[in-house]
Amino acid sequence: AQSVAQPEDQVNVAEGNPLTVKCTYSVSGNPYLFWYVQYPNRGLQFLLKYITGDNLVKGSYGFEAEFNKSQTSFHLKKPSALVSDSALYFCAVHKAGGFKTIFGAGTRLFVKA
Amino acid sequence: NAGVTQTPKFQVLKTGQSMTLQCAQDMNHEYMSWYRQDPGMGLRLIHYSVGAGITDQGEVPNGYNVSRSTTEDFPLRLLSAAPSQTSVYFCASSYSREDGQFFGPGTRLTVL
Repeated sequence: AQSVAQPEDQVNVAEGNPLTVKCTYSVSGNPYLFWYVQYPNRGLQFLLKYITGDNLVKGSYGFEAEFNKSQTSFHLKKPSALVSDSALYFCAVHKAGGFKTIFGAGTRLFVKA
Repeated sequence: NAGVTQTPKFQVLKTGQSMTLQCAQDMNHEYMSWYRQDPGMGLRLIHYSVGAGITDQGEVPNGYNVSRSTTEDFPLRLLSAAPSQTSVYFCASSYSREDGQFFGPGTRLTVL
């Protein structure tokens, strides 16, 4: 069975500091991994994905994520947080060749000025 | 392009009523999904489709039906609404299994 864990309900960071939002996953076979962001009262937007290749992937708004196969993790990172990054972040996975996508419970990011 | 559109935006039902949530996309995407979002539970997959005429169950399919007669449309039917189906429903589409999904604006459903 597939599963995604986002161990932190909330992450607080000061503007200008680096941020990390954690995600671990369990899937049979090779994973396709995704990060999405949900701003208040808005729909979800795709940020970035890992399918294959380089373990460090770059996405929208300066975000990046590192795939670690041995630790089954796909943590979201940004070198310098902005107040406007405050939102709800979701990690998602499905197995290669499949489309049954499982989302994590979400992590709320607060960036303080 | 309108992207992914959903109607209605808000709906209140009484227990036992049925209704259809509409979803359409104009990007010629083969892959479409329905999710529900509940506080603290993230998004849970209800049903998905990998092309016209092909649908499959997700994590929480009970109480919901789908069909996909065209590439553009993917309606979600609530057969007999229950208070446990009070939620925000999102429709999403993508070009392929390897692409991120585009989400609609959501439908907020309350079942009394």
